[in-house]
Amino acid sequence: DTAVSQTPKYLVTQMGNDKSIKCEQNLGHDTMYWYKQDSKKFLKIMFSYNNKELIINETVPNRFSPKSPDKAHLNLHINSLELGDSAVYFCASSHTTSGQETQYFGPGTRLLVL
Amino acid sequence: GEDVEQSLFLSVREGDSSVINCTYTDSSSTYLYWYKQEPGAGLQLLTYIFSNMDMKQDQRLTVLLNKKDKHLSLRIADTQTGDSAIYFCAESASGGSYIPTFGRGTSLIVHP
Repeated sequence: DTAVSQTPKYLVTQMGNDKSIKCEQNLGHDTMYWYKQDSKKFLKIMFSYNNKELIINETVPNRFSPKSPDKAHLNLHINSLELGDSAVYFCASSHTTSGQETQYFGPGTRLLVL
Repeated sequence: GEDVEQSLFLSVREGDSSVINCTYTDSSSTYLYWYKQEPGAGLQLLTYIFSNMDMKQDQRLTVLLNKKDKHLSLRIADTQTGDSAIYFCAESASGGSYIPTFGRGTSLIVHP
């Protein structure tokens, strides 16, 4: 009955590889997000996506691309991994209404690039 | 652009009250949130307050909002060791695309 789930939980890979992180939410939310949390715990929004609009943080390299096969999934694909990509990546979702829009976070994927 | 600031660390003794402060710059902020992140886990929403409110209380948690000064605080009464975590302040504005702005987080350390 997990609300927002991510796989894998840990990912160790070599520089230059391509990898994907999967995210699924069973809350019926219409908006999903990807965040990057660096070693200093700073949270940076990478993408916000619903079935109408993809909003990209312009500071995110184009090696990162979100892919959404359906409303319940937003996967993160990373090409040509670099050392600086090592971080914890969090997926989140929310229901975009005119009222309060709480985000529900996944448990995170810990990426280590060697 | 919008900015949310918090102090990085707070250390308290078990049983004391903790007060975590946050300031923000976006005057159009509609909702202000407090999230808790325990070690190795994702963020969990603790509480939120609408900008037309001054205070919200939920068990041991009290949120105070000074909209004039753009200052938000989270008070945890009778702090326990299980409260040790990173607490993130966040703000968002209704209307348009919703993308919250998070502070850098305050690490709360509770010692016996």
